[in-house]
Amino acid sequence: DSGVTQTPKHLITATGQRVTLRCSPRSGDLSVYWYQQSLDQGLQFLIQYYNGEERAKGNILERFSAQQFPDLHSELNLSSLELGDSALYFCASSVKPSGDTQYFGPGTRLTVL
Amino acid sequence: AQSVTQLGSHVSVSEGALVLLRCNYSSSVPPYLFWYVQYPNQGLQLLLKYTSAATLVKGINGFEAEFKKSETSFHLTKPSAHMSDAAEYFCALFNFGNEKLTFGTGTRLTIIP
Repeated sequence: DSGVTQTPKHLITATGQRVTLRCSPRSGDLSVYWYQQSLDQGLQFLIQYYNGEERAKGNILERFSAQQFPDLHSELNLSSLELGDSALYFCASSVKPSGDTQYFGPGTRLTVL
Repeated sequence: AQSVTQLGSHVSVSEGALVLLRCNYSSSVPPYLFWYVQYPNQGLQLLLKYTSAATLVKGINGFEAEFKKSETSFHLTKPSAHMSDAAEYFCALFNFGNEKLTFGTGTRLTIIP
């Protein structure tokens, strides 16, 4: 158990819908990262927040957005969902904002029908 | 551009045999390198990391990796495979230039009884 929690574990929804994935980092970690894992794209970095502020952006679509709240939990919002958005979404956390070991949560499996 | 290449998407070894999973990297600045393991339906777990100290890095579960700058490699080894080692293994590079963790495509390790 990495100490990073993610809810829900599974999510099934329809095209065009909007969903919110939630992540709670390890106690004491200020940095939260979001990744997407799919068969065709592999593991892709989406976005990073550090202490409430966006710090780095990866291959995140404009339909996706994230935020980190004062209690340091983070939410990833996915809207106008498409079939291709079906994937595993991982959250990771670390203490430092850069170069630190990232500890991964168990992931949320999103299925878009 | 910084990248990670894992040679062999599938590797099979007999129980008790040497495990060798290959990772080569490309980076214009000294990288931090990581190996993660992903068991079925789980998140990623850190096996070991290289952060420019000792070139031979020991990790959990008997794994180790050696950083070879001249070969731009960071191969993962374990002297004697165990059935519980069956999983997918990811090599990752953290580049301080763009502050992103870039993952390889993964190697699925199968252990033959």
